[in-house]
Amino acid sequence: DAGVIQSPRHEVTEMGQEVTLRCKPISGHNSLFWYRQTMMRGLELLIYFNNNVPIDDSGMPEDRFSAKMPNASFSTLKIQPSEPRDSAVYFCASSQTTNNYGYTFGSGTRLTVV
Amino acid sequence: AQSVTQLDSQVPVFEEAPVELRCNYSSSVSVYLFWYVQYPNQGLQLLLKYLSGSTLVESINGFEAEFNKSQTSFHLRKPSVHISDTAEYFCAVRGRLREAGSYQLTFGKGTKLSVIP
Repeated sequence: DAGVIQSPRHEVTEMGQEVTLRCKPISGHNSLFWYRQTMMRGLELLIYFNNNVPIDDSGMPEDRFSAKMPNASFSTLKIQPSEPRDSAVYFCASSQTTNNYGYTFGSGTRLTVV
Repeated sequence: AQSVTQLDSQVPVFEEAPVELRCNYSSSVSVYLFWYVQYPNQGLQLLLKYLSGSTLVESINGFEAEFNKSQTSFHLRKPSVHISDTAEYFCAVRGRLREAGSYQLTFGKGTKLSVIP
């Protein structure tokens, strides 16, 4: 298995632009998580899905952030409009809730908003 | 709900010296416990986990952690560190009950281990 695949690896965009981050979870995993990591706040859970349904989005910072999971093999995190304070590394992780092996993380997308 | 406390944000240690990274948790239910490692510019990788059975668990690269229920701790140790162990280490907890939200891992804020040559 190729693991959790995130794209792009790096994104530099101007303030006000729309940014879309993509994630392909491990095949057979039924839970998907989006995290944001910054020096100041550490690792923050933004939202997670179970069987493609959003279960908890209380970590989404503002309405500018939205996430979708149209099928079991794809999820997006969108920021519109983006702001400099959104600069961070965004991680996607997936797991199979019927086992206890924790999460498998992607390599992350480093977002820089200038 | 669960919470995880990693008291040390940074731990410098000389090569070949022992190290302990501390992790304490709080939870109203029984838990599973995990340690993740994040090397520079990479995602988090599972290092080891405690699910049940022996309270001492080991990783393939010489780390071990011991679950102490009475002290609600899951400290990570290595008797002799290498330069390649330089990374950030995250402790995480998940409740055993399959109630809503129990699939979530709750992470600590991480401890940066710096191994000095």
